[in-house]
Amino acid sequence: QKEVEQNSGPLSVPEGAIASLNCTYSDRGSQSFFWYRQYSGKSPELIMFIYSNGDKEDGRFTAQLNKASQYVSLLIRDSQPSDSATYLCAVNDSNYQLIWGAGTKLIIKP
Amino acid sequence: GAVVSQHPSWVICKSGTSVKIECRSLDFQATTMFWYRQFPKQSLMLMATSNEGSKATYEQGVEKDKFLINHASLTLSTLTVTSAHPEDSSFYICSAREPVGGYNSPLHFGNGTRLTVT
Repeated sequence: QKEVEQNSGPLSVPEGAIASLNCTYSDRGSQSFFWYRQYSGKSPELIMFIYSNGDKEDGRFTAQLNKASQYVSLLIRDSQPSDSATYLCAVNDSNYQLIWGAGTKLIIKP
Repeated sequence: GAVVSQHPSWVICKSGTSVKIECRSLDFQATTMFWYRQFPKQSLMLMATSNEGSKATYEQGVEKDKFLINHASLTLSTLTVTSAHPEDSSFYICSAREPVGGYNSPLHFGNGTRLTVT
């Protein structure tokens, strides 16, 4: 069974520091990779997507993909209390089925 | 771009009644929409894939006669929870892919509908 795994957390990070969220996936043929942020009681919101190996930066967010090691990560620089949320990793597998991780709860401490 | 609107945001109904949830793609056409359910402190669970002009595809364990899906146009999909029971109380969220990029495009989500069955 194809899986996407995330540490459930909570991951506690001081305000202003870098938050690092990790995700591993089992299907080596996976095509595309997504990070969503979900605040409590709200629906998921797309943060980043990445298709190719390497880094992709958007403002304070950087997605990193390593297909050989089958992991994708999200870095949040200069973390703010408003970044406190659950971060969901989603992976499009080789059949274009979207597989979701269970999410990592991130807490930014002022 | 790629805005998905969902209505209502919340609904309370009595056990045994039916509830309809609407999902609209506002600025793009969506031949496929996805319906998810999320229980408290749990991850997203795909219920069904809604296809414009054809029958929906349901995930294993989801009762198609209980969760009726209609995708009558390229911008509207509806989910009707029939004969709702308290165990159907959950957060229902629809989503659609950006039209550019095909199957690798990201999903965009509606704001969700919180259903409470009393």
